[in-house]
Amino acid sequence: NAGVTQTPKFQVLKTGQSMTLQCAQDMNHEYMSWYRQDPGMGLRLIHYSVGAGITDQGEVPNGYNVSRSTTEDFPLRLLSAAPSQTSVYFCASSYSRAGSSSYNSPLHFGNGTRLTVT
Amino acid sequence: EDQVTQSPEALRLQEGESSSLNCSYTVSGLRGLFWYRQDPGKGPEFLFTLYSAGEEKEKERLKATLTKKESFLHITAPKPEDSATYLCAVQAGTDSNYQLIWGAGTKLIIKP
Repeated sequence: NAGVTQTPKFQVLKTGQSMTLQCAQDMNHEYMSWYRQDPGMGLRLIHYSVGAGITDQGEVPNGYNVSRSTTEDFPLRLLSAAPSQTSVYFCASSYSRAGSSSYNSPLHFGNGTRLTVT
Repeated sequence: EDQVTQSPEALRLQEGESSSLNCSYTVSGLRGLFWYRQDPGKGPEFLFTLYSAGEEKEKERLKATLTKKESFLHITAPKPEDSATYLCAVQAGTDSNYQLIWGAGTKLIIKP
């Protein structure tokens, strides 16, 4: 099994450009999420989805859009890139949203996309 | 405000030198505490989940413990391959509104 696959691994954008970060998982997980990781800070949740057709905002959603048309895919769109969006982005999935049942499903992470906005 | 703090930020040990990493938290309604390992250029990898004070989990040279205010990740006789950043995350809130709060991590370096 490939697990969680993210593409691209690296990307450089100019301010104002748009792009889509791809995320796919082959574990039939209902829950998928996007995080950003910045130096000296904990992971911050951008958007998440509890199933196909359902998405919701996380802690830092501004400037990003998501959609979930299939169980497998959860792309993240940057609408108009800004230097503040320079970061490493991780996609993560789990069997269920952590805490949705008495069993807390651990997250499975992709290997990240390193994005630089100049 | 819910908060998770990991210390130290970085820790350098000699191979075989045991030590502990700390994850302290102030949250309302603890539902679980997670430990992850992250290697450079990779995503975090799940290690343990702890649910209640007094609980312990072990995996090879690692042992995680939990109290009402903090968790420790004990590393016994570490090897260079244990070098990584260790992340702590706390799941908190009520059934209808809960969140996962992450610490900034501890970078562990084991010298041969």
